[in-house]
Amino acid sequence: NAGVTQTPKFQVLKTGQSMTLQCAQDMNHNSMYWYRQDPGMGLRLIYYSASEGTTDKGEVPNGYNVSRLNKREFSLRLESAAPSQTSVYFCASSRAGSPSRTDTQYFGPGTRLTVL
Amino acid sequence: AQTVTQSQPEMSVQEAETVTLSCTYDTSESDYYLFWYKQPPSRQMILVIRQEAYKQQNATENRFSVNFQKAAKSFSLKISDSQLGDAAMYFCAYRTLYNNNDMRFGAGTRLTVKP
Repeated sequence: NAGVTQTPKFQVLKTGQSMTLQCAQDMNHNSMYWYRQDPGMGLRLIYYSASEGTTDKGEVPNGYNVSRLNKREFSLRLESAAPSQTSVYFCASSRAGSPSRTDTQYFGPGTRLTVL
Repeated sequence: AQTVTQSQPEMSVQEAETVTLSCTYDTSESDYYLFWYKQPPSRQMILVIRQEAYKQQNATENRFSVNFQKAAKSFSLKISDSQLGDAAMYFCAYRTLYNNNDMRFGAGTRLTVKP
């Protein structure tokens, strides 16, 4: 049981390049999330998926797209990377697909992305 | 919108001693969840403890306990018998009760443990 896994761990891009961050969970969770973490700030939600086949915008969605490939996998795509997207990206998952009193998010190890 | 404030960017504690990390939040809701997450150098976010606002009893998990003051909107984390492995960034987080997707994080407190 690996929990939440992310690939790659590190990535350096040039401005304008595209790339996809991969996330997978083996806990049979319904909901998945993408966050970014910038220095001096807490995590901010980019996109989330409450269940397979659905995605919704979070607090900072501009410049990103997501795909919920199946129940296990949730990818984050940068179509044209910008230096402002230099950050650490975290994927998370939680059991509930609908609002739940007891839901807790579990996080992956993160991807450090640098855009030059 | 809910906000979470951690006023201590850095804290330091001697091994085996006790340290308290502060967190305040702003909300107009009466029921919600509060969390403390630990982020070691490996960067992974690890859930430390969770508190439900409707419960008056403070949550505890082994050496970790919280002091939840609902009226003051304060949620501090106490680490007893600090260990070297406790050194990490600690994030306080707030989640609305019926929206799993709206979790707000504080800016974090970096805890150093001195041997």
